[in-house]
Amino acid sequence: GENVEQHPSTLSVQEGDSAVIKCTYSDSASNYFPWYKQELGKGPQLIIDIRSNVGEKKDQRIAVTLNKTAKHFSLHITETQPEDSAVYFCAARGNAGNMLTFGGGTRLMVKP
Amino acid sequence: GAVVSQHPSWVICKSGTSVKIECRSLDFQATTMFWYRQFPKQSLMLMATSNEGSKATYEQGVEKDKFLINHASLTLSTLTVTSAHPEDSSFYICSASGQSQNTGELFFGEGSRLTVL
Repeated sequence: GENVEQHPSTLSVQEGDSAVIKCTYSDSASNYFPWYKQELGKGPQLIIDIRSNVGEKKDQRIAVTLNKTAKHFSLHITETQPEDSAVYFCAARGNAGNMLTFGGGTRLMVKP
Repeated sequence: GAVVSQHPSWVICKSGTSVKIECRSLDFQATTMFWYRQFPKQSLMLMATSNEGSKATYEQGVEKDKFLINHASLTLSTLTVTSAHPEDSSFYICSASGQSQNTGELFFGEGSRLTVL
């Protein structure tokens, strides 16, 4: 089955700096890669996703890149703000239905 | 995005009792719902996949007789933790997808925190 690795597990940045979180996946057939933000005590919220037919997608301060050859994808947050502090999860979905495999999560702390 | 509602958001129960958690898709028909469990500072672990009108598919290591899942309609799935014990205390989260949604997008509920005394 699919295996998703996520790094780093914790990330601390100064407000205004950029943050990058990286994930690798094992199943070359995976075709959908969402990123979720989870605040304390709440369910994950989809913040951006990318499909295997594109290499990059951007939405304001958030961007995601995908390298299918290397089987890795990354989340980039620019001009970080304290409200970006949360746990971020990457995920990958293969051809078997809509089941997602999640990475281990990254706790992002943005210091004012 | 689509809205998935979970209820209750938190529940405390005595050991040995059963607890039911509801997951509703509010603005779309969810053909498939997923149930996850999340322990503190850990990732989401898939427990089971349920399709409307059929039996749920459980992940390895998840007791189907302990975690009863019912997906009786296209907008409602329920998870019942039977004879709960303290080790069942966790954050339970559902997610849903439907034919009307963009392929692959999953939307999550707000989660239900279960504490078993």
